[in-house]
Amino acid sequence: AQSVAQPEDQVNVAEGNPLTVKCTYSVSGNPYLFWYVQYPNRGLQFLLKYITGDNLVKGSYGFEAEFNKSQTSFHLKKPSALVSDSALYFCADDHNTDKLIFGTGTRLQVFP
Amino acid sequence: NAGVTQTPKFRILKIGQSMTLQCAQDMNHNYMYWYRQDPGMGLKLIYYSVGAGITDKGEVPNGYNVSRSTTEDFPLRLELAAPSQTSVYFCASSLQGAVDEQFFGPGTRLTVL
Repeated sequence: AQSVAQPEDQVNVAEGNPLTVKCTYSVSGNPYLFWYVQYPNRGLQFLLKYITGDNLVKGSYGFEAEFNKSQTSFHLKKPSALVSDSALYFCADDHNTDKLIFGTGTRLQVFP
Repeated sequence: NAGVTQTPKFRILKIGQSMTLQCAQDMNHNYMYWYRQDPGMGLKLIYYSVGAGITDKGEVPNGYNVSRSTTEDFPLRLELAAPSQTSVYFCASSLQGAVDEQFFGPGTRLTVL
């Protein structure tokens, strides 16, 4: 079965340091991969997506993600974390259909 | 544009009661989705629709029903509420399906006692 995995429940990072939130996918063919962010008591917001082309995808709020086919990964990164980046982050895969399969989420905590 | 709106924001139901969660979008999106979010479980797709008059089941459809009579509205019906349906429900829409970003509503927090 196709799925995405987010191996870390929580990631802690100091403000100003680089951050990485990990995601791996399990799929045959060419996946469509997404990152969404959820702030407390809010719906999810789109950050970025990989459909095809350049493996490095840039998105909102200074975030970027690198598609790595050999490692089946799509890690979310940011060069310098902000306290306001603290939120719940979800990786998702389109499942080669019109439906998204979401990972279980990673809570990012950025400390001042 | 209001985007995706959901009502109500909160609701407490007794076991066996029924209710409809409302969802509307004003972006003329073809695709609409209903998800439930349980702690530590991510989002699970309940039902989705690729256009007016067309609906299909997602991962966890049992206990729910949907209809899509217009492009704008996609209500979710709970017929016999059970404690297992306690969750936060999100509606979302997109223009062309999964290849496009989904726009999410603010959610409905439902408790079944």
